[in-house]
Amino acid sequence: GENVEQHPSTLSVQEGDSAVIKCTYSDSASNYFPWYKQELGKGPQLIIDIRSNVGEKKDQRIAVTLNKTAKHFSLHITETQPEDSAVYFCAATPGFQKLVFGTGTRLLVSP
Amino acid sequence: GAVVSQHPSWVICKSGTSVKIECRSLDFQATTMFWYRQFPKQSLMLMATSNEGSKATYEQGVEKDKFLINHASLTLSTLTVTSAHPEDSSFYICSARDLAENYNEQFFGPGTRLTVL
Repeated sequence: GENVEQHPSTLSVQEGDSAVIKCTYSDSASNYFPWYKQELGKGPQLIIDIRSNVGEKKDQRIAVTLNKTAKHFSLHITETQPEDSAVYFCAATPGFQKLVFGTGTRLLVSP
Repeated sequence: GAVVSQHPSWVICKSGTSVKIECRSLDFQATTMFWYRQFPKQSLMLMATSNEGSKATYEQGVEKDKFLINHASLTLSTLTVTSAHPEDSSFYICSARDLAENYNEQFFGPGTRLTVL
């Protein structure tokens, strides 16, 4: 089955800096890679996703890149703001099977 | 669009009692809903996959007789924690997959915090 690894587990940046979170997956059949932001005491919120037929997707300050050959995908947040502080989870899934989550990255943006 | 609600948002119960948690897709139909459990500072752990009109599929190690799942309609799934014990205290989160979507995009509810005394 699919296995997803996520790094780093914690990430501290200054406001305005960029943040990068990386994930690797094991199942070459995986074709959908979402990223979720979870604030304390709340459910995860989808912030961006990418499908296997594209290599990059951008939405304002957030971008995701996918390297199918190396089986890794990354979340890039530019011009970070204190409200970006949260736990971020990557996930992967082959088709309509269950999502397999990474272990999470706690991002702290200091003003 | 794509809103999933959960009720209650938190519940405190005595050991040995049963607790029911509801998960609703508010503006879309969901043939499949998923139930997760999340312990503090950990990732989401899938407990079961719930398909409308059929029995749920439980992940390895999850007791189906303890965590009863019912998915009677395209917009509602329920999770009942039977004979709850303190070790069942956790954050329970559901998600739903839009019937109209071709990929496995899941929308998550806000979670239910269960505390068993």
